[in-house]
Amino acid sequence: EPEVTQTPSHQVTQMGQEVILRCVPISNHLYFYWYRQILGQKVEFLVSFYNNEISEKSEIFDDQFSVERPDGSNFTLKIRSTKLEDSAMYFCASKTGTPNTGELFFGEGSRLTVL
Amino acid sequence: GESVGLHLPTLSVQEGDNSIINCAYSNSASDYFIWYKQESGKGPQFIIDIRSNMDKRQGQRVTVLLNKTVKHLSLQIAATQPGDSAVYFCAESNQAGTALIFGKGTTLSVSS
Repeated sequence: EPEVTQTPSHQVTQMGQEVILRCVPISNHLYFYWYRQILGQKVEFLVSFYNNEISEKSEIFDDQFSVERPDGSNFTLKIRSTKLEDSAMYFCASKTGTPNTGELFFGEGSRLTVL
Repeated sequence: GESVGLHLPTLSVQEGDNSIINCAYSNSASDYFIWYKQESGKGPQFIIDIRSNMDKRQGQRVTVLLNKTVKHLSLQIAATQPGDSAVYFCAESNQAGTALIFGKGTTLSVSS
């Protein structure tokens, strides 16, 4: 069964360092998303991406965050200068079809720990 | 604004019981709702969805009910099994239809 894959599964970094989280969405999917989940809290929307551009972003997704689809398969989330409060599980998700329909498939997540 | 929430943070049931997990939403313009299940250490997994032109939708052992009058969504799980133990989130589509907004989760614990 096709799945969304994410790397690394866990990254520990120092405050102020840059971090890149990688995702390989399901191959025929067109819409890509990043979400984050602080431990024990709800899943929060960060950004959606379609047709090689951001289609929606939340207040959390400030200038420290960026996304890229550098080739036909990878979808990355970059945090330029990490803060302690960026510590969370980051989930990549993808879907096919129109934005407001259909199943959103999530990866297993990348746990980011900022020290 | 858009916000989705759940009534209870935890729910404990016995194996074989029926479980009902509730969710209240605030955006009356939302027209698409989804329930997700998240097992420990994993990403959310789609369970069932419903559009606002419906008030009930059934899947395998799960039923979602939508009451637009009171902006309430519920997930019913029949004959709950230990494998159903997880955190359950409801989510609604934002007005632009470009993102799902998740509510706080309900932790379902099923004991044998």
